[in-house]
Amino acid sequence: QVQLVESGGGVVQPGRSLRLSCAASGLTFRNYGMHWVRQAPGKGLEWVAIISYDGKNQYYGEFVKGRFTISRDNSKNTLYLQMNSLRDEDTAVYYCAGDRNWNWFDPWGQGTLVTVSS
Amino acid sequence: QSALTQPPSASGSPGQSVTISCTGTSSDVGGHNYVSWYQQHPGRAPKLMIYEVSKRPSGVPDRFSGSKSGNTASLTVSGLQAEDEADYYCGSYAGGNNWVFGGGTKLTVL
Repeated sequence: QVQLVESGGGVVQPGRSLRLSCAASGLTFRNYGMHWVRQAPGKGLEWVAIISYDGKNQYYGEFVKGRFTISRDNSKNTLYLQMNSLRDEDTAVYYCAGDRNWNWFDPWGQGTLVTVSS
Repeated sequence: QSALTQPPSASGSPGQSVTISCTGTSSDVGGHNYVSWYQQHPGRAPKLMIYEVSKRPSGVPDRFSGSKSGNTASLTVSGLQAEDEADYYCGSYAGGNNWVFGGGTKLTVL
């Protein structure tokens, strides 16, 4: 059974940092590019970042502006998102999603909620 | 990168067909055949329904179909069923290793 499980979300003050994780099972993780996608409360989906299957290439949405870093450890079948200098507007559910062909999102994890608030 | 444009809502009665549009630009929807559609029920993760404009993943009913003309893609749900009531999002590769989603459409089965 293919499964992506995010963790690491929580409540954090503005300006602080948080690291999200996404543990993969039931798929050959090293064959997948991996995305982070977020969804603010009551809002639509917003693409955050992608990392290539081998971790050598990373790309980010314009709003990231150097604050987030996507990485992966294929030996642990785990994807990460390091988020620094968090802002109120970063409050969202963060989903990880696989991408074998660099053009669609499947499968998806269940999401982890990040709340940035003082 | 601006979000793709979707109607905020759509509706239909059981058994009817409904089409949801997704309008972008020549840089995203119009420039690539990498349009995908996602279904999201309340409190749940999105689920891939259509990829590469019109292809259905295994397990997705053939009541769901996709198409594209110019800068506008469409998702059609035929033979509406109660369980189809959900939010639907289009997504597209936007070039330069960027991706963009639509704002979402809430589908109501009357």
